[in-house]
Amino acid sequence: KQEVTQIPAALSVPEGENLVLNCSFTDSAIYNLQWFRQDPGKGLTSLLLIQSSQREQTSGRLNASLDKSSGRSTLYIAASQPGDSATYLCAVRGTDKLIFGTGTRLQVFP
Amino acid sequence: GAVVSQHPSRVICKSGTSVKIECRSLDFQATTMFWYRQFPKQSLMLMATSNEGSKATYEQGVEKDKFLINHASLTLSTLTVTSAHPEDSSFYICSARVLPQTGSSSDIQYFGAGTRLSVL
Repeated sequence: KQEVTQIPAALSVPEGENLVLNCSFTDSAIYNLQWFRQDPGKGLTSLLLIQSSQREQTSGRLNASLDKSSGRSTLYIAASQPGDSATYLCAVRGTDKLIFGTGTRLQVFP
Repeated sequence: GAVVSQHPSRVICKSGTSVKIECRSLDFQATTMFWYRQFPKQSLMLMATSNEGSKATYEQGVEKDKFLINHASLTLSTLTVTSAHPEDSSFYICSARVLPQTGSSSDIQYFGAGTRLSVL
């Protein structure tokens, strides 16, 4: 059974810092991995999607890497801003299901 | 990108009533839709997978008689919480899967904005 874990569970940093959020999964047989952002009480916003054959994806200040063999992905946020405050979820896609991680609650203060 | 519309966004009901949540794919056909549940400060837990025209597949521990799922068309799936009780209060999110485009190695899921259910 696929299990997805995210570390840290919560993070509070001053703005301007570069951040690394970690995601690990137990079954390396995945089709893709996706990073989402969720604001309080809201739905999900897809940030980056990495196919199993890819190593990384970049969008603006965000960079996500994937090491499928070791079951790890990282989300790098450069020059963090208060607007980045949210919960970040990673999710791995197996044969037919998207399994979500436990989430990292990020707070960036001015 | 593809849009998934979920309605209502918020519902408050009395214990014992049934609540229906709709999930629509607005600009694409979704052969498969998923329903997730999220408790406060927790991650999303998959409840069931529904394929158009067939019965939904429920995850272990999810009561199929409590959470009725209908996927009658390629653009609409509904989740009905029957005889809701306070412990059913949660955030419910639907998702629709888009089949892969030519050259893409896998499909993509798009998510609705969620429905917050509060049962008094």
